[in-house]
Amino acid sequence: ETGVTQTPRHLVMGMTNKKSLKCEQHLGHNAMYWYKQSAKKPLELMFVYSLEERVENNSVPSRFSPECPNSSHLFLHLHTLQPEDSALYLCASSHPPPLAGAPDTQYFGPGTRLTVL
Amino acid sequence: ELKVEQNPLFLSMQEGKNYTIYCNYSTTSDRLYWYRQDPGKSLESLFVLLSNGAVKQEGRLMASLDTKARLSTLHITAAVHDLSATYFCAVDMDSNYQLIWGAGTKLIIKP
Repeated sequence: ETGVTQTPRHLVMGMTNKKSLKCEQHLGHNAMYWYKQSAKKPLELMFVYSLEERVENNSVPSRFSPECPNSSHLFLHLHTLQPEDSALYLCASSHPPPLAGAPDTQYFGPGTRLTVL
Repeated sequence: ELKVEQNPLFLSMQEGKNYTIYCNYSTTSDRLYWYRQDPGKSLESLFVLLSNGAVKQEGRLMASLDTKARLSTLHITAAVHDLSATYFCAVDMDSNYQLIWGAGTKLIIKP
């Protein structure tokens, strides 16, 4: 496999379910990101991990819980979601930005289309 | 608050025509990214613009950055159907990890 992969590609869950989204990157990057993409809204950054440590957490509800066990894998654990959480969840990876530098180009996975009933 | 505004949000055009997508942002930044997203697919990096006056071209697409005007443009020359997609611009924030994204411009090119 090459690039950034995400599983599952589609997920339908009830509000009381617990599920996890998985992301894997094969690019040798050390930074990984979770984004939420909703219709007619800009992309929202949820979490950033660099060298397996969380470096950004943009006021995301606690019903979303990220996990980064190593630099190649990123998970998003979901529990007691709300219908408004239905969206496309995108994972991305990059090299960590250099000191006083810009974020490196981010490479995205295909996304998980999540529907919460 | 840093805002990134794209204009237009939707564009339908004929093949062979030229057009420009605009990306305005509300604070100082020297770095801007353009991405493309095909329906049902992920985002693909097109250009990274790293300084004032930067211009990059790939095929029928050309991107430029004017940091003084806080404006980037994505120009499409002699459009072809394969360029139909949604185009996003994104500007970096001081944190170095966070990009602020525009809402995207959905481009439909009719044969």
